[in-house]
Amino acid sequence: EIVLTQSPATLSLSPGERATLSCRASQRVSSHLAWYQQKHGQAPRLLIYDASTRATGIPDRFSGSGSGTDFTLTISSLEPEDFAVYYCQQRNKWPLTFGGGTKVEVK
Amino acid sequence: QVQLVESGGGVVQPGKSLRLSCAASGFSFSNYAMHWVRQTPGKGLEWVALISFDGNSNYYLESIRGRFTISRDNSNNILYLQMKSLRVEDTAIYYCAREHGWQQLVLGYFQLWGQGTPVTVSS
Repeated sequence: EIVLTQSPATLSLSPGERATLSCRASQRVSSHLAWYQQKHGQAPRLLIYDASTRATGIPDRFSGSGSGTDFTLTISSLEPEDFAVYYCQQRNKWPLTFGGGTKVEVK
Repeated sequence: QVQLVESGGGVVQPGKSLRLSCAASGFSFSNYAMHWVRQTPGKGLEWVALISFDGNSNYYLESIRGRFTISRDNSNNILYLQMKSLRVEDTAIYYCAREHGWQQLVLGYFQLWGQGTPVTVSS
């Protein structure tokens, strides 16, 4: 199965700062990668799919990039509601797999 | 209101069975493939199973194949996960999730999630 490794595990930032999250795949997944946001006690929410396409209703401060094995989620200017855990997920090969998550916390 | 609501979770002994349900509302359930995804503190998020929009095809995570069965009732907008021979390692929050694609187009992304139902397997 394809293993997704996210880094860093924790990112400590202040509101208004830029967040850069990384996801690396153990084998090439083309652009078949998504990003999800999960707040405490809630289900994940789809943010980005196909590496760079924002899902419906997602603010444009969220952007995704990358292809092959290296991907990045960027939050251009952190809002208070953006502090959460972020997961990447690949759909290039079954089984569908997720990364271990990056927690974005308030510094 | 577009939503998915899971139910049926609980505490069960190893080797026993449990059936989870997921009630869909606010969208055309019969036009979407559906997934079950589980989450544990240790293993994180793990895709479990997929069923096609018409119920004619399904796919499973290898570790649960033969023990879990995904099914759906398109007349009543309900998704199921029948779990047998439960193991301690099946302990998790189980989410149902709507596929991002439409009808036979399965993209493998999870567009809409329920709130989850907890399953604890313990003696």
